[in-house]
Amino acid sequence: DAGVTQSPTHLIKTRGQQVTLRCSPKSGHDTVSWYQQALGQGPQFIFQYYEEEERQRGNFPDRFSGHQFPNYSSELNVNALLLGDSALYLCASSLRVPGDGYTFGSGTRLTVV
Amino acid sequence: QKEVEQDPGPLSVPEGAIVSLNCTYSNSAFQYFMWYRQYSRKGPELLMYTYSSGNKEDGRFTAQVDKSSKYISLFIRDSQPSDSATYLCAMVRGGADGLTFGKGTHLIIQP
Repeated sequence: DAGVTQSPTHLIKTRGQQVTLRCSPKSGHDTVSWYQQALGQGPQFIFQYYEEEERQRGNFPDRFSGHQFPNYSSELNVNALLLGDSALYLCASSLRVPGDGYTFGSGTRLTVV
Repeated sequence: QKEVEQDPGPLSVPEGAIVSLNCTYSNSAFQYFMWYRQYSRKGPELLMYTYSSGNKEDGRFTAQVDKSSKYISLFIRDSQPSDSATYLCAMVRGGADGLTFGKGTHLIIQP
């Protein structure tokens, strides 16, 4: 299956620490977006990467940063973790013009203690 | 007012019933509309993807978009217990933008 893969699946961090989450897009997709989903809420857009650059950003502070590599895979970095950063972090891939929609991975569940 | 409104439910219906799920939105610039199904502790799974107004059918699922009313719907025919999940509507202006999601409707199909 050439779907979106995310790692790790679960992570526990201490307040103030830094974390890096990873995503490999669906085969053939060149655009990667990251979302934060709190319990009982819909996903919230963090940012989108295309051609290794951040193209759009949602309402998230600079503590959230990312990177896209030449093979289209991506990382999400969160610095100075807060308890409120505990959530399911989802990666979605698509084409630049999303002709077949946005495909999501299973997510990384981050718990900050 | 949130950009996308969706009743969180729960919505409980008997097996075999027709299910109707809805979202309203306020941003007339949205052009692409999606419905996702999300099981507990899993990532969202794309069910339907439509562009602009109109209907789209895929198996037991039908998606409707009415841009004039800023209203989208998902119908599920012959509902099954395996359809029990949270259903999220999502929409976007164009490819460079992030998706805007509703809160999700928790659907329960009773055997």
